[in-house]
Amino acid sequence: QVQLVQSGVEVKRPGASAKVSCKASGYTFTNFAITWVRQAPGQGLEWMGWISVFTGDTKYGQKIQGRATMTTDTSTRTAYLELRSLRSDDTAIYFCARENNNGWYFDLWGQGTLVTVSS
Amino acid sequence: SSELTQDPAVSVALGQTVRITCQGDSLRSYSANWYQQKPRQAPLLVIYHTSNRPSGIPDRFSGSSSGNTASLTITGAQAEDEADYYCNSRDSSGDYVFGTGTKVTVL
Repeated sequence: QVQLVQSGVEVKRPGASAKVSCKASGYTFTNFAITWVRQAPGQGLEWMGWISVFTGDTKYGQKIQGRATMTTDTSTRTAYLELRSLRSDDTAIYFCARENNNGWYFDLWGQGTLVTVSS
Repeated sequence: SSELTQDPAVSVALGQTVRITCQGDSLRSYSANWYQQKPRQAPLLVIYHTSNRPSGIPDRFSGSSSGNTASLTITGAQAEDEADYYCNSRDSSGDYVFGTGTKVTVL
């Protein structure tokens, strides 16, 4: 079954780090990039960045540049998003999504991971 | 980075037609994609590269574009089409961007 399955809920203190995982199955993992998108409560979708699984190249959005690291482990077919120095406005559902090779659209999504930042 | 602007909310009577628009300068150079998101669910791709429907998406969903505006049309809206809809595209620097989102209510 073609799917992306993400890790579970995280609750963090301000200033801490969070690491969300996204495990792919049912397709050739290295053939597609993975994009990360977040959605704050009651808000719209925010593109965070992408990683080429094949090359490891990354591109980050301006808002999280310097605080986020995207990586992949091809042996376990898993992508990771680490976000550091967490703030309350990082509270959101974090989605991973597969980027189609024909350009900037996302044809397969994970179920989302809620990260709550609270003191 | 670029911005994509959508109307916050639209309503449509059951069985009627509704058009959702997405405006932004980057759309003059790059095509738009559209996603449907229902409460507590991940987004679902419904249109890619302006007017292409992925497998499994009903043909009542269609897309078009002109100048700096992309449009998603639902012809014969069904109750299950009630959702939030987001456009997305990219800009010349390679950043991707989502629209502000439109809540569609089916009356």
